[in-house]
Amino acid sequence: DADVTQTPRNRITKTGKRIMLECSQTKGHDRMYWYRQDPGLGLRLIYYSFDVKDINKGEISDGYSVSRQAQAKFSLSLESAIPNQTALYFCATSDSMTARWGDTQYFGPGTRLTVL
Amino acid sequence: DAKTTQPPSMDCAEGRAANLPCNHSTISGNEYVYWYRQIHSQGPQYIIHGLKNNETNEMASLIITEDRKSSTLILPHATLRDTAVYYCIVRPADRGSTLGRLYFGRGTQLTVWP
Repeated sequence: DADVTQTPRNRITKTGKRIMLECSQTKGHDRMYWYRQDPGLGLRLIYYSFDVKDINKGEISDGYSVSRQAQAKFSLSLESAIPNQTALYFCATSDSMTARWGDTQYFGPGTRLTVL
Repeated sequence: DAKTTQPPSMDCAEGRAANLPCNHSTISGNEYVYWYRQIHSQGPQYIIHGLKNNETNEMASLIITEDRKSSTLILPHATLRDTAVYYCIVRPADRGSTLGRLYFGRGTQLTVWP
């Protein structure tokens, strides 16, 4: 879905490096999320933000930080990358205005990160 | 915390209807049934969701049993591009600052063959 974009799409880095993954959306949604996907483990939530001033940890936030620079932008940082952070990372958005009828999340294309 | 059960794999001939089942026997009254799919390593794609009534959109139909303990996603005319992992998810409607997590589980690998 081109409404949610992620950069870079692929990244190879070395252990100990600081990495930033960026997510932008043009859907006008106020809620944004970062997930990681590992083979056999499904998607796990790292951080989520319900508006620009609201940041919340998900189930696996250790080793990660986020920044919500604007309603449309949500960045994920790996402070000091380690090999077990090698995964597929997805950003998602949803709209609180329609959440009471089901909080549908829309996903970006993903970033494949490899930490050597 | 899987609340749904899906067959690990199914296949379907191109042009035929694909019927993907999902059991959610412990579903609560305020929980919606969602379906997403993921084509190999791409971002999950929202398909449809419903509470208790059957739903239809341009992609699929969702049939929810009267007791809401199971549902079926129907792709009326499957194409090769529908080959993907399909996830059935139950989740409560938002009533405030609830956790936004979607639990995807393992899903059903649907293979559409020519």
